[in-house]
Amino acid sequence: EAEVAQSPRYKITEKSQAVAFWCDPISGHATLYWYRQILGQGPELLVQFQDESVVDDSQLPKDRFSAERLKGVDSTLKIQPAELGDSAMYLCASSLLDLEAFFGQGTRLTVV
Amino acid sequence: AQRVTQPEKLLSVFKGAPVELKCNYSYSGSPELFWYVQYSRQRLQLLLRHISRESIKGFTADLNKGETSFHLKKPFAQEEDSAMYYCALSKETSGSRLTFGEGTQLTVNP
Repeated sequence: EAEVAQSPRYKITEKSQAVAFWCDPISGHATLYWYRQILGQGPELLVQFQDESVVDDSQLPKDRFSAERLKGVDSTLKIQPAELGDSAMYLCASSLLDLEAFFGQGTRLTVV
Repeated sequence: AQRVTQPEKLLSVFKGAPVELKCNYSYSGSPELFWYVQYSRQRLQLLLRHISRESIKGFTADLNKGETSFHLKKPFAQEEDSAMYYCALSKETSGSRLTFGEGTQLTVNP
């Protein structure tokens, strides 16, 4: 069964360092989402892509976060510089137009 | 702006008992509502959605527009139902972002 792949699964980084996460959506899924989930809360959307175009990045802290999906397939989310408050689970999801979003296992980031 | 509220962070029931996980939403338009579930050490996955009007694993959810609620119900809980449950809302019918509630951890005791 096709799944959304994310790497790394875990990442520990020091404050002020740069960190990047990678996501490979299910083949053929044009829509890709990055969500952030702080411990004890539900996921919150950071950015949504339709193919290679950003369609919603209203909640993305653009001073330190960036996301790209250059060929409309896999995607990278970067944080530079990382802050202590960025510690969270970063979830990638993809979907066709039927609305069901399929989630990856996530990357757990710890900033020390 | 849309908002989803799950008033119970923790819910514990005994096997065979009925269970209801509450979800309330605020949105001025016509939302699409979903329940997602995350079992221990597994990824977040769709349980059911309003537009399908399905019963999945014995769970049902009815959209009550008057009370702006989308409560999840099961008449007889099973131990394997123990998981984190998230209610979510989408503004449009295609490709729109999900707004999640904070989740309810359901524990079904033997």
